[in-house]
Amino acid sequence: GQQVMQIPQYQHVQEGEDFTTYCNSSTTLSNIQWYKQRPGGHPVFLIQLVKSGEVKKQKRLTFQFGEAKKNSSLHITATQTTDVGTYFCAGFILTGGGNKLTFGTGTQLKVEL
Amino acid sequence: GAGVSQSPSNKVTEKGKDVELRCDPISGHTALYWYRQSLGQGLEFLIYFQGNSAPDKSGLPSDRFSAERTGGSVSTLTIQRTQQEDSAVYLCASSTDRNYGYTFGSGTRLTVV
Repeated sequence: GQQVMQIPQYQHVQEGEDFTTYCNSSTTLSNIQWYKQRPGGHPVFLIQLVKSGEVKKQKRLTFQFGEAKKNSSLHITATQTTDVGTYFCAGFILTGGGNKLTFGTGTQLKVEL
Repeated sequence: GAGVSQSPSNKVTEKGKDVELRCDPISGHTALYWYRQSLGQGLEFLIYFQGNSAPDKSGLPSDRFSAERTGGSVSTLTIQRTQQEDSAVYLCASSTDRNYGYTFGSGTRLTVV
């Protein structure tokens, strides 16, 4: 079936270290969105990327959409304890995916002082 | 309303009983989605509404699950004859259309005992 996988599943970093999560789809995506879910909370929309090769930045966060529109990444520079949570990518699958987001498997980030 | 409202926030029910979960989306959001999240897992799509119609019900796990939306606003997800494997957090989200991020509610945590 159509799947969106993320690696790594878990990541522990020391505060100040960088962090990257990778998102890979088995099929082409029309666009990709990223969400953050704090422990005990609900997913919160961060950003959307639409164009092939697009790069967007939000302060310490950098988001990329692959040229083939099948993969994406989120990079956090100099992590802080406020970055703790699970990061999900989600995409609209171009063919046969319908009008709903297919969410990735998520990467859980823990930041230690 | 200002956000997506879900009720109840927690529901404990006995195996075999029926439950109703309610979602009140952001006013004016025509698209409404139900997802399910098991402990520590990703988001599993259940059903998508555009207005009052449900063009995509492909994620409903069995015929025990049904949902409706009335007046293009409030939606109800009904689970009949609940089973222990139905225990999860049920998340509702709304959006203006597919080119915008989803706004999620805080979810209903369902526990079947």
